[in-house]
Amino acid sequence: DAKTTQPTSMDCAEGRAANLPCNHSTISGNEYVYWYRQIHSQGPQYIIHGLKNNETNEMASLIITEDRKSSTLILPHATLRDTAVYYCIVRVPNYGGSQGNLIFGKGTKLSVKP
Amino acid sequence: GAVVSQHPSWVICKSGTSVKIECRSLDFQATTMFWYRQFPKQSLMLMATSNEGSKATYEQGVEKDKFLINHASLTLSTLTVTSAHPEDSSFYICSARARTDYQPQHFGDGTRLSIL
Repeated sequence: DAKTTQPTSMDCAEGRAANLPCNHSTISGNEYVYWYRQIHSQGPQYIIHGLKNNETNEMASLIITEDRKSSTLILPHATLRDTAVYYCIVRVPNYGGSQGNLIFGKGTKLSVKP
Repeated sequence: GAVVSQHPSWVICKSGTSVKIECRSLDFQATTMFWYRQFPKQSLMLMATSNEGSKATYEQGVEKDKFLINHASLTLSTLTVTSAHPEDSSFYICSARARTDYQPQHFGDGTRLSIL
């Protein structure tokens, strides 16, 4: 089972910042938080990941709370092309045969509206 | 950024046919590759994990004789759906990760398989 909780859906106006929350209250000390998105009928696209410090790249910013129990993905200026399902995933530690794979939950369906 | 190429994008074939899907990492060496399946309006479900040169590890409920995985090199993994039936119709997605721990997995664009 996924170890994260995300809202089912969110709307955002084009040009505004989209803030997508994620709860991961059972995260372990050595687990990273990863964000991916999936545009309809495509494979997931990597966005960003972090351990405890805030991270920023050309796509987004990741804000992780000090207790690491939640995080927020920020798309600073959302466009219509950002409409997708966004997945927040805690990377499981290596165990058995799964070797640190990503377990996908249901994600948040973000709709960017004109 | 890292690129994972998956081929073919679409496959339509008759029941009983075997279908092979290829997954290539184009600009990095993929120590580990993963195969996922996604049914309409559902999330991705991991099918199996493979390391280069080793046998794949299958998730519970996934038939290893039905879904043959070969990871013969650091840049290529293949999934063969043997004797495919309509219930095998789905969106199959591969993913690859480099050796360095905690590096992100990168995904292919998926293969939509339709069995008639």
